Amino acid sequence: DAGVIQSPRHEVTEMGQEVTLRCKPISGHDYLFWYRQTMMRGLELLIYFNNNVPIDDSGMPEDRFSAKMPNASFSTLKIQPSEPRDSAVYFCASSSLRAYEQYFGPGTRLTVT
Amino acid sequence: QQQVKQSPQSLIVQKGGISIINCAYENTAFDYFPWYQQFPGKGPALLIAIRPDVSEKKEGRFTISFNKSAKQFSLHIMDSQPGDSATYFCAASTQGGSEKLVFGKGTKLTVNP
Repeated sequence: DAGVIQSPRHEVTEMGQEVTLRCKPISGHDYLFWYRQTMMRGLELLIYFNNNVPIDDSGMPEDRFSAKMPNASFSTLKIQPSEPRDSAVYFCASSSLRAYEQYFGPGTRLTVT
Repeated sequence: QQQVKQSPQSLIVQKGGISIINCAYENTAFDYFPWYQQFPGKGPALLIAIRPDVSEKKEGRFTISFNKSAKQFSLHIMDSQPGDSATYFCAASTQGGSEKLVFGKGTKLTVNP
């Protein structure tokens, strides 16, 4: 199994630009999570899906952030417009109701200048 | 209520020593308490987890101690090795852990040779 796949691994963009982060969960997993990690705030849950349906988006910082899961094997996190304070490492994780463990991807390091 | 407080923020231990990281929570509905290990440039990975029906769980050199009445749990790493140098996160969840995890802020462990 390839594990959770995220792309790109690194993204550098200018303030005001749209950023799209992508995630492919582990096959067969029915939960998908988006996290943001910074030194100041640690690991924050932004949103999670169950069977492609958003369950809790209370961690999404503001309307500039949106996430979609059009099918069981793909999810996107979009920031539009991006701001320097969005600079962070964004992780995608997936899990199964039977397994409990959340498997994290390698992360996308976003830098907004 | 949803917070998990973790201490210390950083820890330096000599090879062969014992590393101890502590976490405290408020929400008595939490019923799953995992510890995740994160190496630089990688996503967090599950290390060990415990449910509140037991007071201790051991896997190799890693032990979780759980005190339900005090709402505290801790990770003990026996015979700490330089390869254990990483950031450790405690977390808590309701509904068995398959859904939303609340993470502590993390402890950066350095094991000196």
